[in-house]
Amino acid sequence: EAGVAQSPRYKIIEKRQSVAFWCNPISGHATLYWYQQILGQGPKLLIQFQNNGVVDDSQLPKDRFSAERLKGVDSTLKIQPAKLEDSAVYLCASSLVGGWSTDTQYFGPGTRLTVL
Amino acid sequence: EDQVTQSPEALRLQEGESSSLNCSYTVSGLRGLFWYRQDPGKGPEFLFTLYSAGEEKEKERLKATLTKKESFLHITAPKPEDSATYLCAVRSSGGYQKVTFGTGTKLQVIP
Repeated sequence: EAGVAQSPRYKIIEKRQSVAFWCNPISGHATLYWYQQILGQGPKLLIQFQNNGVVDDSQLPKDRFSAERLKGVDSTLKIQPAKLEDSAVYLCASSLVGGWSTDTQYFGPGTRLTVL
Repeated sequence: EDQVTQSPEALRLQEGESSSLNCSYTVSGLRGLFWYRQDPGKGPEFLFTLYSAGEEKEKERLKATLTKKESFLHITAPKPEDSATYLCAVRSSGGYQKVTFGTGTKLQVIP
């Protein structure tokens, strides 16, 4: 079974530039998550989709971050404009159902973003 | 607000030297406690889910246990390939059952 795919794996940009990350979840998984992991910290949830609808974006900095999940499959996370503190690894995860205690999240390899 | 605290932050063991990692949590209604392993440059890899106090799960040299306030990940006779960061996370009953992660324990096993 193919895992969660993410691209690019690495990205270096200047502050105030824009950047976009792509995620393809495990086939058949209805729920998709984007996490931000700053060096030395645990992942922090940015946004959670159930199919193509947003169910939790309470920790997404909406003035600069946006995300969409078209057709309930692939997802894109965008940062515009980027700040130095956005330097982190952006992880995408997917789960079969979402919101159930038995539901397990499976993670992609992440995209390491460096903002100079 | 849900909180997860992991200790120690880092642990260095000799090969074969057994030890335990701790995960303390406060959550509004526990709906699951997860352990993940994360290697450098990779995403977290799922290890275990525990649901209720007293539950135990094992996988090779790893054994996870759960009480009402904390979870332990016991590592028996570790090998160098067990070196990684181990993350603990909890799912709460509130909202959309959000998952909250701890900061992890970085384990190094020396041959």
